[in-house]
Amino acid sequence: DTAVSQTPKYLVTQMGNDKSIKCEQNLGHDTMYWYKQDSKKFLKIMFSYNNKELIINETVPNRFSPKSPDKAHLNLHINSLELGDSAVYFCASSSPGPSGANVLTFGAGSRLTVL
Amino acid sequence: GNSVTQMEGPVTLSEEAFLTINCTYTATGYPSLFWYVQYPGEGLQLLLKATKADDKGSNKGFEATYRKETTSFHLEKGSVQVSDSAVYFCALSAGTSYGKLTFGQGTILTVHP
Repeated sequence: DTAVSQTPKYLVTQMGNDKSIKCEQNLGHDTMYWYKQDSKKFLKIMFSYNNKELIINETVPNRFSPKSPDKAHLNLHINSLELGDSAVYFCASSSPGPSGANVLTFGAGSRLTVL
Repeated sequence: GNSVTQMEGPVTLSEEAFLTINCTYTATGYPSLFWYVQYPGEGLQLLLKATKADDKGSNKGFEATYRKETTSFHLEKGSVQVSDSAVYFCALSAGTSYGKLTFGQGTILTVHP
């Protein structure tokens, strides 16, 4: 059973289109995240939700809209796609560990290519 | 703000060589420190972690020690294998950030037979 699953794995689309990426976790975690990985492998957080509430929004353009229908799901919708949105998007989830440190479990990634 | 700096890559080694990937950090308070590994075509996996000064994290032959005095968390392995070829990320999580990870830029490791 996949712990954090994302769909689709690959997405190729034209500039200006709207697309969504879905994420589900079956770990019972309270917190979910979206990270963006650029072509140089650099990872940057975009959003985080805790129990369906937005808690982190890292100055992401408002073309990106996350939605969390329940604490096991965090979807990412992107409007008016631009070339610079091409990247790999990773979903992750976490809960505090025994030592208090949150260990994130990542999905396999969704590679978005905007033409 | 918080930041993580990793040694520049890529790093290319022969099998059984010694590996060090340097990582230093800047953070307020007492962060938790992590190394994540990304194998080709996959997501990130936790490799090891340390939550307080002088803790040593270890897994699969990799080790890293949380050094508060030098704000470092260098990754080491005594004898690398071809299967260790991957991208390695150092990261930190500050106490009040709901688990948000700040990542270093990643270091690509290639191990040749």
